[in-house]
Amino acid sequence: SQKIEQNSEALNIQEGKTATLTCNYTNYSPAYLQWYRQDPGRGPVFLLLIRENEKEKRKERLKVTFDTTLKQSLFHITASQPADSATYLCALRGADGLTFGKGTHLIIQP
Amino acid sequence: EPEVTQTPSHQVTQMGQEVILRCVPISNHLYFYWYRQILGQKVEFLVSFYNNEISEKSEIFDDQFSVERPDGSNFTLKIRSTKLEDSAMYFCASSAKTGTGRNEQFFGPGTRLTVL
Repeated sequence: SQKIEQNSEALNIQEGKTATLTCNYTNYSPAYLQWYRQDPGRGPVFLLLIRENEKEKRKERLKVTFDTTLKQSLFHITASQPADSATYLCALRGADGLTFGKGTHLIIQP
Repeated sequence: EPEVTQTPSHQVTQMGQEVILRCVPISNHLYFYWYRQILGQKVEFLVSFYNNEISEKSEIFDDQFSVERPDGSNFTLKIRSTKLEDSAMYFCASSAKTGTGRNEQFFGPGTRLTVL
């Protein structure tokens, strides 16, 4: 069956450091992969999309990599700030629409 | 900045009752979606809608669920006979039909449905 796995339920990072979040998937052949941010009680907010033929994509302090051989995407936030604290969701186009991972809860400590 | 809106923000209903959740997607978007998120769990796809018909639906979206775009601006999700396990946050989303733009979905703030 198709699965999306994101590393750990909570990740604590000190302010100013780089946070790295992992998304692994099985039984998908995605044309693209997306990352969203979700704050408590709110809807997901789109951050970045990376296509299968792109190795890396950047947007301001965000960087996403996509390795279709490893079936993995890494999401990096550089110079992290307390305002970056949120749950980050990885999403893939599956058999049933857009499928989300459970998310990694990121906490940036001042 | 345009945004997806949803009403009500919180709906409490008795088991077996019908509920209608309402959404106003971004005005120039053509694809519409409903998702749900049970407390503490992941966001789950329910249904996508394009050109006035369902384009995809998940196993969750059974005969108790229906969607409609009654007037060109609202997009509704109806649950005919609610069950306790329907209690969740329901998110509406929309996307534009322009190359990569279609793939970026804009989510509303959600309606929290509580079934008693």
